[in-house]
Amino acid sequence: KAGVTQTPRYLIKTRGQQVTLSCSPISGHRSVSWYQQTPGQGLQFLFEYFSETQRNKGNFPGRFSGRQFSNSRSEMNVSTLELGDSALYLCASKGSGGGGYGYTFGSGTRLTVV
Amino acid sequence: SQQGEEDPQALSIQEGENATMNCSYKTSINNLQWYRQNSGRGLVHLILIRSNEREKHSGRLRVTLDTSKKSSSLLITASRAADTASYFCATDGGGITGGGNKLTFGTGTQLKVEL
Repeated sequence: KAGVTQTPRYLIKTRGQQVTLSCSPISGHRSVSWYQQTPGQGLQFLFEYFSETQRNKGNFPGRFSGRQFSNSRSEMNVSTLELGDSALYLCASKGSGGGGYGYTFGSGTRLTVV
Repeated sequence: SQQGEEDPQALSIQEGENATMNCSYKTSINNLQWYRQNSGRGLVHLILIRSNEREKHSGRLRVTLDTSKKSSSLLITASRAADTASYFCATDGGGITGGGNKLTFGTGTQLKVEL
């Protein structure tokens, strides 16, 4: 069973640009959530999508957005990049069937804003 | 914001020794999970303990949960150099706040196991 695939692995962008990150969950998983990891703030929840609908949203500005497609693949977009957006962005997929299961994370996308 | 704190922030031990990490959280939970992260890579799920459980074992891992104190501990027995990583606790409150999946992470413990 293939794991969670995130692309690209590394990205360098300039301030003011926008960026789109992609996440393909484990086959059959309909929940995809996104997290930002920085040395200062640690791991922070961004948002979660389930069956193409955003179910939860963290405390991030509107520059951070996402979507999910019918095949459960998800993308997150950050517009008007700021230096502080430099981080490791992780996505996680989770199957249905109650709360007794862990999440499977991808290897992350390392975004550097210069 | 993060759910709570983990301590110690860093831990250095010799191979073969046991490592204990502690985690505190703030709100009601469905379950608490522990994850490992190697060198800024993705997180690997280690073990999950439900809110109605007090202790759980998986191989060399032992997790305890005290919901009255809102705390958990992770014990790694007979540690190996390959256990060197950062360890995070995460609470899963999905369902309590209206549905959805959302993990809230602790600050993490950096474990170094030396030969």
